[in-house]
Amino acid sequence: DAGVTQSPTHLIKTRGQQVTLRCSPKSGHDTVSWYQQALGQGPQFIFQYYEEEERQRGNFPDRFSGHQFPNYSSELNVNALLLGDSALYLCASSPYGTGAYEQYFGPGTRLTVT
Amino acid sequence: AQSVTQLGSHVSVSEGALVLLRCNYSSSVPPYLFWYVQYPNQGLQLLLKYTSAATLVKGINGFEAEFKKSETSFHLTKPSAHMSDAAEYFCAVSFSGGSNYKLTFGKGTLLTVNP
Repeated sequence: DAGVTQSPTHLIKTRGQQVTLRCSPKSGHDTVSWYQQALGQGPQFIFQYYEEEERQRGNFPDRFSGHQFPNYSSELNVNALLLGDSALYLCASSPYGTGAYEQYFGPGTRLTVT
Repeated sequence: AQSVTQLGSHVSVSEGALVLLRCNYSSSVPPYLFWYVQYPNQGLQLLLKYTSAATLVKGINGFEAEFKKSETSFHLTKPSAHMSDAAEYFCAVSFSGGSNYKLTFGKGTLLTVNP
């Protein structure tokens, strides 16, 4: 049984560019959350998608947007990249009905903005 | 509002010694509490969770944690440290009900195990 998968593993972008990160949830899971983990910090909640809608959003600017597809996979898009967007981006999936209390994390995408 | 404080950004123990990682939380409603472990260059792995059942929770790899409402604490312990336990540990809080689905994490505690 495959766990949560994310692509790409690493990414280097230039300030001002746009980036798309991808996540496939664990089999049987229909909810996807995205977190940003800056170096030396705990993960910060960006948003959660359920039934292809953004269900909850953290304190992140509109430059951060997302999408969920009918197969429950998800994308995180970041526009107009800033140096401060350099971080590990983690995707977590949850099975139906469990909300936040059963989140399984993927290995993350390491984004470096130069 | 909910928050998590992990006391001690770095804990160092000897192999075979007791591991104690401290976590205090703040939540206006009964919380769900979690401990995650992160090995270098990897994602987060769930160690254990408290969701209002037994206050002493047993997790994977010999770890356990006790929910103490009066102290608003959820400290993680392991009787005997192994070298393979060296990693970063994160405490997180959430709560059921309403429209909150996010996990709020502490800043993490780096555990070093010395031979």
